[in-house]
Amino acid sequence: EAQVTQNPRYLITVTGKKLTVTCSQNMNHEYMSWYRQDPGLGLRQIYYSMNVEVTDKGDVPEGYKVSRKEKRNFPLILESPSPNQTSLYFCASSALGGGNQPQHFGDGTRLSIL
Amino acid sequence: ILNVEQSPQSLHVQEGDSTNFTCSFPSSNFYALHWYRWETAKSPEALFVMTLNGDEKKKGRISATLNTKEGYSYLYIKGSQPEDSATYLCASVPGSARQLTFGSGTQLTVLP
Repeated sequence: EAQVTQNPRYLITVTGKKLTVTCSQNMNHEYMSWYRQDPGLGLRQIYYSMNVEVTDKGDVPEGYKVSRKEKRNFPLILESPSPNQTSLYFCASSALGGGNQPQHFGDGTRLSIL
Repeated sequence: ILNVEQSPQSLHVQEGDSTNFTCSFPSSNFYALHWYRWETAKSPEALFVMTLNGDEKKKGRISATLNTKEGYSYLYIKGSQPEDSATYLCASVPGSARQLTFGSGTQLTVLP
């Protein structure tokens, strides 16, 4: 089954404790992306990647890091999480260039930073 | 940051009514416009990706149109059903990058 898998689905942690949210897709998609969703603000793009070793900032990259060492994986790293990063996070992937192909979303990760 | 706006913010309709909502986006440097349907407690699902001015797409009772010159897209739902209740998101992609900018969505509730 074609899917985007995020882990963990839920996490409660404390300020400053480094964490990584993993994202993996099995569709051989070139384009992968991370979004955060906050009430009243819709989905905001954090980082995206057009292919292996190619990453670019989205609208809200501050406080986040990503890497794309393999085509299927695109982890999101919070080196020193803060309470304002409490949010619902989605990973997504799409074929080819990404912009003119539909995004396939994971099930989401709800992060709470205390 | 591109400014993508959706209206209305929320909408209640009766079962069987037809409805439509709007997505406005910057018309300069346009590349693509996406529509997604997002049900509560699920992840967004793609409805349409549109790239050409005048494009019309249809999936069952849902259709969309695109005007890239004036920077708007309409999503239409014909004969709304309770299972159409969801938030409908649009996202604009500029020609210079592959960054998606989403609107804040239109929340549709279809009353039985």
